[in-house]
Amino acid sequence: KQEVTQIPAALSVPEGENLVLNCSFTDSAIYNLQWFRQDPGKGLTSLLLIQSSQREQTSGRLNASLDKSSGRSTLYIAASQPGDSATYLCAVTQGGSEKLVFGKGTKLTVNP
Amino acid sequence: DAGVIQSPRHEVTEMGQEVTLRCKPISGHNSLFWYRQTMMRGLELLIYFNNNVPIDDSGMPEDRFSAKMPNASFSTLKIQPSEPRDSAVYFCASTGGRGAFTDTQYFGPGTRLTVL
Repeated sequence: KQEVTQIPAALSVPEGENLVLNCSFTDSAIYNLQWFRQDPGKGLTSLLLIQSSQREQTSGRLNASLDKSSGRSTLYIAASQPGDSATYLCAVTQGGSEKLVFGKGTKLTVNP
Repeated sequence: DAGVIQSPRHEVTEMGQEVTLRCKPISGHNSLFWYRQTMMRGLELLIYFNNNVPIDDSGMPEDRFSAKMPNASFSTLKIQPSEPRDSAVYFCASTGGRGAFTDTQYFGPGTRLTVL
C-alpha cells in the first residue's frame, strides 16, 4: 500500500528566505507526483505535476524535483513571501489509476 | 468556468440523520472524485467515477456511505445514518480525462460536515 510522508509537518520562515519542502513515498512505481497548495477553509490548488519520466518542473518561484528510484520529491520555494503561507500537500498516482494518495502536508508560515 | 461547485458549504446535523452532499464538476471533465479530509487521517479518496461509472470505491468507509453520478454534470455523496465520526471536510474534484500521466485534479471548496 502506497504511503506518502511529508516532513516537517510545520515550518516557519522569515520573508525572503529560500526553502525546501520534502515528500517521500514508499512505492516507487508511480505515474506522476503532484504538489498542491491549500489555504485555510479552501480547496486544493494544483501547483506542479511531474510525470514519472521527468526529473523536475518549474513554475515561477516554485521548482519541484522527483527522484523516483529513491521515492523522494522536493518543492523549492525561492524568495518566500507572506502570501506563500499555506499548507502544501504532495500526492502520487500509480497503477494506471487516477487515484491520488496524499501526504498530510506541511504547514508553511512566512513571517513579514 | 466556475470551477467545481459543491453544496452545501457547511452542514450541521444530528446523529442518525441522512446527509446529502452535492457536486457539479467542471464542464467537459469526465472523471470525478470524492475525498474526505480530517486532522487525524489527512485527505483520503472515497470514490471516483469515470464517464459516470464508479471505478474505485475502495475508500468508502462502510455501507452507510453511497455515491451516485446520474449524469456528467452532477454527483451526490450520501451518508445514512450519519455518525459523529463522519464529521470532516468533504471535497469533490474533477479532471479532464487526458489520463493519469498528465491530468491535474481541480478541487471544489469543500463541504464542512458536523454531526452532533
